[in-house]
Amino acid sequence: GQNIDQPTEMTATEGAIVQINCTYQTSGFNGLFWYQQHAGEAPTFLSYNVLDGLEEKGRFSSFLSRSKGYSYLLLKELQMKDSASYLCAVRPSPGNTPLVFGKGTRLSVIA
Amino acid sequence: EPEVTQTPSHQVTQMGQEVILRCVPISNHLYFYWYRQILGQKVEFLVSFYNNEISEKSEIFDDQFSVERPDGSNFTLKIRSTKLEDSAMYFCASSASGRSGTEAFFGQGTRLTVV
Repeated sequence: GQNIDQPTEMTATEGAIVQINCTYQTSGFNGLFWYQQHAGEAPTFLSYNVLDGLEEKGRFSSFLSRSKGYSYLLLKELQMKDSASYLCAVRPSPGNTPLVFGKGTRLSVIA
Repeated sequence: EPEVTQTPSHQVTQMGQEVILRCVPISNHLYFYWYRQILGQKVEFLVSFYNNEISEKSEIFDDQFSVERPDGSNFTLKIRSTKLEDSAMYFCASSASGRSGTEAFFGQGTRLTVV
């Protein structure tokens, strides 16, 4: 089976840094994606990791450890508009194959 | 910026009725997907489509479901006889290439309510 775990909810303060963790046990591994989803809207792509290490993209960074089955998304200089759900998704099979999503982490940014 | 568009945004239908959800993927994309998200739950894969045929489908995608690319631009999901448990947000997605690192671009979704 495929299992992806994330915390259900997190709260953080505007201007702060927050780290959203994701652990996975999947039948295979061909990359891990992070998506942002505002309530009632489509998921939008944030990052992709397939090799161990940190990928940085502006205020957002994503880290992967394949040996530990672990990733995190780091959001810096939080803004109110960052309040959203953050979805961790794994691609178990090679090629452009379906993603398996976690349940998402609902992040609330407060003043 | 190119985007995936879905219509309608919201559909209410009676149990047992057929519904067709429509999607226009990004024009140069070759891989198409349908996912669904039941309220409060995770996004789940339904079906993928490439080169005018289904490439993969999940257990959810049973005989009540079908997909079609009737012309060069539209990609449709048909549910033949809707059930209450089909109520969900249905997302169409498309991506450009066959590489593992290719991200999927999602449409805004169709909220299907079966009553």
